[in-house]
Amino acid sequence: QKEVEQNSGPLSVPEGAIASLNCTYSDRVSQSFFWYRQYSGKSPELIMSIYSNGDKEDGRFTAQLNKASQYVSLLIRDSQPSDSATYLCAVTTNTGFQKLVFGTGTRLLVSP
Amino acid sequence: DAGVIQSPRHEVTEMGQEVTLRCKPISGHNSLFWYRQTMMRGLELLIYFNNNVPIDDSGMPEDRFSAKMPNASFSTLKIQPSEPRDSAVYFCASSFLDHTGELFFGEGSRLTVL
Repeated sequence: QKEVEQNSGPLSVPEGAIASLNCTYSDRVSQSFFWYRQYSGKSPELIMSIYSNGDKEDGRFTAQLNKASQYVSLLIRDSQPSDSATYLCAVTTNTGFQKLVFGTGTRLLVSP
Repeated sequence: DAGVIQSPRHEVTEMGQEVTLRCKPISGHNSLFWYRQTMMRGLELLIYFNNNVPIDDSGMPEDRFSAKMPNASFSTLKIQPSEPRDSAVYFCASSFLDHTGELFFGEGSRLTVL
């Protein structure tokens, strides 16, 4: 079982819709969870972090965490074509240091 | 700040040749990470350093790979000898070890081994 799993997609949504991206992880003691965005040919950049169960909102982005189900998601409201990218879920491992394990990413396509 | 600087941006080499990738982290950051990204395996952590000391190299695929960080402003990843399966984008990232999880990535080095 992979440590962090994501559906590779592509996930296609029309402009203005809500895009829902999902991620599951295997290490029950993981404490920190992150969403990175990667445009084609570019490097990943952090867009959201979440550390406790529940929702965290930042502009059009909402991260949701459920540690009991080992599940983290990212909602993008009012999706724009500029949101088209690959979204990487990342989870810290229980090493005592900041070691991030990434999922393989979900490709999001937002059509005008 | 200039961000994380990697060189070369692109490297094409023949099987068996030595490849050296270079990274300059963001000034003041005390953690440095080397990742490899392929379509099949995604973003894989190869090795990370804290205060120039290698903390975890369990992701280094085999003895052909080695990494060094002689000082706080420079790191290298070396592959010797290179093989076609090493073809990938290699990212260097740095952070300040405050557990926020924000890694700052360089633009990557795209390696093609023929």
